[in-house]
Amino acid sequence: AQSVTQLDSHVSVSEGTPVLLRCNYSSSYSPSLFWYVQHPNKGLQLLLKYTSAATLVKGINGFEAEFKKSETSFHLTKPSAHMSDAAEYFCVALDTGRRALTFGSGTRLQVQP
Amino acid sequence: NAGVTQTPKFQVLKTGQSMTLQCAQDMNHEYMSWYRQDPGMGLRLIHYSVGAGITDQGEVPNGYNVSRSTTEDFPLRLLSAAPSQTSVYFCASSYRNPNYGYTFGSGTRLTVV
Repeated sequence: AQSVTQLDSHVSVSEGTPVLLRCNYSSSYSPSLFWYVQHPNKGLQLLLKYTSAATLVKGINGFEAEFKKSETSFHLTKPSAHMSDAAEYFCVALDTGRRALTFGSGTRLQVQP
Repeated sequence: NAGVTQTPKFQVLKTGQSMTLQCAQDMNHEYMSWYRQDPGMGLRLIHYSVGAGITDQGEVPNGYNVSRSTTEDFPLRLLSAAPSQTSVYFCASSYRNPNYGYTFGSGTRLTVV
């Protein structure tokens, strides 16, 4: 069984400063990993995905994530936060057997002006 | 291209009532699944389907039924609604290779009183 742990339930940054959202996964193999974003009262949008190709993955809106097998981590970063980045972010692992997703509990990103 | 369409967007039920949440996708995706989202718990898998005529249980299937008679539709039935089923429900779909990522509907907010 796999699990996903998001280490911070809430992160607050100032506009223009870097963003770091932390995610660790637990799996007996290298999983496929995703980051999704959910704006208030909206559905989920795919930010980026890791599928065993390059370990540094670039996504939409300037976000990127690095897969580190030795640390079982898949942290999400952005060099400079924008007010529109305020949302909830989910780190997600793919259960290839069930073709279904295992979600972390989410990190709410707040961006201060 | 509508993507994944969920109806209704909002619903209030009385305890013991039954209802069906509708999900339809027009992307010819083989895989479809239902999740529920509760505060602080991320999304949890209810049921999933790897193709027409094939369904299976996820993490929290009790109190819910599904069927998949066509590729496009994957309805979720609440047999006898309970207050514990108050949640936001998301339908998602993907291609046979789920590494492309899942597409989510905009959600159904259900309240059981």
